Amino acid sequence: NAGVTQTPKFRVLKTGQSMTLLCAQDMNHEYMYWYRQDPGMGLRLIHYSVGEGTTAKGEVPDGYNVSRLKKQNFLLGLESAAPSQTSVYFCASTILGRGSKDEQFFGPGTRLTVL
Amino acid sequence: AQSVTQLGSHVSVSEGALVLLRCNYSSSVPPYLFWYVQYPNQGLQLLLKYTSAATLVKGINGFEAEFKKSETSFHLTKPSAHMSDAAEYFCAVSGSNTGKLIFGQGTTLQVKP
Repeated sequence: NAGVTQTPKFRVLKTGQSMTLLCAQDMNHEYMYWYRQDPGMGLRLIHYSVGEGTTAKGEVPDGYNVSRLKKQNFLLGLESAAPSQTSVYFCASTILGRGSKDEQFFGPGTRLTVL
Repeated sequence: AQSVTQLGSHVSVSEGALVLLRCNYSSSVPPYLFWYVQYPNQGLQLLLKYTSAATLVKGINGFEAEFKKSETSFHLTKPSAHMSDAAEYFCAVSGSNTGKLIFGQGTTLQVKP
């Protein structure tokens, strides 16, 4: 099992450029999440998905879009990158069934810099 | 609404000393509480979790945490720090049926030889 994987690991963008971050999990998890991590602020939820074809907004969704076309993949898109989106992005997943008792499994992160 | 506060963004201990990382939470529903550890340039790894069973929870690497409802706290402890414990630690709360986690701001643990 690879667990949760993220591509790319690093990326530098110019303001206004677009990109897509890919998250993949091979644990057959139903729920998937995108967080951003900024110094002194912990992790904040951007968007999440409770199943294939469904997505919902988290705490800081502005400037991001997501899609969950396949159960194992969760894509995070930046249509027009801004310097404020410079951050480390983490994807996580958890199994359906026991609700919020279940731990989330995290990917290794994507470090994004927007110039 | 739920929230988590971690007291102290940086904690420094000597090797062999007690580790105490503080976490207080706010939740309008019975909370499920988690401690995660993040080593440099890595993702988060679960240390332990409280899911309304025993109030004293034991985790990996000798860590444990005690749920105290009256104090709304879930502090993380380890009797004797090891150099390999140097990392960032996050407390998180979950109480919704979507499994969303609310994280504290994190505490960086430094272990001095």
